[in-house]
Amino acid sequence: QKEVEQNSGPLSVPEGAIASLNCTYSDRGSQSFFWYRQYSGKSPELIMFIYSNGDKEDGRFTAQLNKASQYVSLLIRDSQPSDSATYLCAVGSGGYNKLIFGAGTRLAVHP
Amino acid sequence: GAVVSQHPSRVICKSGTSVKIECRSLDFQATTMFWYRQFPKQSLMLMATSNEGSKATYEQGVEKDKFLINHASLTLSTLTVTSAHPEDSSFYICSARGESVQETQYFGPGTRLLVL
Repeated sequence: QKEVEQNSGPLSVPEGAIASLNCTYSDRGSQSFFWYRQYSGKSPELIMFIYSNGDKEDGRFTAQLNKASQYVSLLIRDSQPSDSATYLCAVGSGGYNKLIFGAGTRLAVHP
Repeated sequence: GAVVSQHPSRVICKSGTSVKIECRSLDFQATTMFWYRQFPKQSLMLMATSNEGSKATYEQGVEKDKFLINHASLTLSTLTVTSAHPEDSSFYICSARGESVQETQYFGPGTRLLVL
């Protein structure tokens, strides 16, 4: 059973701080990794994807991938109240043609 | 780019009726579309994967005769909930993936179904 694990939270951070979201996965053969954001009552929206070990930056977001340790993380710099949402980690299952989603981490950014 | 639409956004129906939900990729050709269901405060649950022109692949525990999926073109997939019951009330979300976007899925806005 391929699994993606996330801490459900809530992760509470003050405005302006760095929020760090973590995700581990069980399938060592996974090659693609995604972070989605889902606001309450809305569908998920793609934040970014990463395929290679290391860091990938996009604006205030940085995804970090470590395949040897089987974890992927998302850093949000200068957190804003509008970043308050559930963040879903998803891992590509290669030949199975689908993404395996974690249950999500709820982030709360307070003023 | 990579816009996915769903229609309707919200539907209320009587128990025993059927409801059809459309999912369209607006600016790319979706070789694969996915249908998810999400109950309140729970995570996404993949129901089925559909490839254009072939039968959908259903996840374990999802009744294929109850949730009919058609992916007749590269831009349209439909999910029909047949003989809907109150326990089918949920948030149904589709996503689409094209050849040029490696495994990246783009989600539609979702359809909220309420069965009375």
